[in-house]
Amino acid sequence: GAGVSQSPSNKVTEKGKDVELRCDPISGHTALYWYRQSLGQGLEFLIYFQGNSAPDKSGLPSDRFSAERTGGSVSTLTIQRTQQEDSAVYLCASSLAGGPSEQYFGPGTRLTVT
Amino acid sequence: GENVEQHPSTLSVQEGDSAVIKCTYSDSASNYFPWYKQELGKRPQLIIDIRSNVGEKKDQRIAVTLNKTAKHFSLHITETQPEDSAVYFCAVMDTGRRALTFGSGTRLQVQP
Repeated sequence: GAGVSQSPSNKVTEKGKDVELRCDPISGHTALYWYRQSLGQGLEFLIYFQGNSAPDKSGLPSDRFSAERTGGSVSTLTIQRTQQEDSAVYLCASSLAGGPSEQYFGPGTRLTVT
Repeated sequence: GENVEQHPSTLSVQEGDSAVIKCTYSDSASNYFPWYKQELGKRPQLIIDIRSNVGEKKDQRIAVTLNKTAKHFSLHITETQPEDSAVYFCAVMDTGRRALTFGSGTRLQVQP
């Protein structure tokens, strides 16, 4: 079946511009996660959705970052007034239910801020 | 929050040898410990996971051991093959956040 998909695969933007990243989870998966992976680094948790609600937003690095999920499916991560330190691969994952179960990752969006 | 440390950061072995990667964690309430493999330019993929009620789990050439008292767990790969070359990440389910906290990764290189 279809896995987690993300778009765009690559995004180059100028410092100060806003960007929107999209994630389509596996159908029927209620939990959705956003992570950030800087070059050669591990994965940093950003935010978690259970259904449409985000019980934990504490991983968002600043108030320039926001995310929403509608219809219990698609999620968008928005970064306002991008900075060069926002350059990274943004990975989305979904799981059948929240908690201790396998998370399936999307291919990621590589964001470059010039 | 949870703190996960992973060692070594790089590991080079000869084909056929074993490889061991170790992780420690800080929250004794953590109950889920997956390992992910990430090939260059690809997405992370789960290779094995273990829950806190089990001390060891095996899947062919891969095994994971968990010591809850010492708060550490390890990945063991036997009879390594060149296609095992990748970055391996351990992770711990943060029971408060219900999200994974990842280790910093181990780059494994299997020399043919």
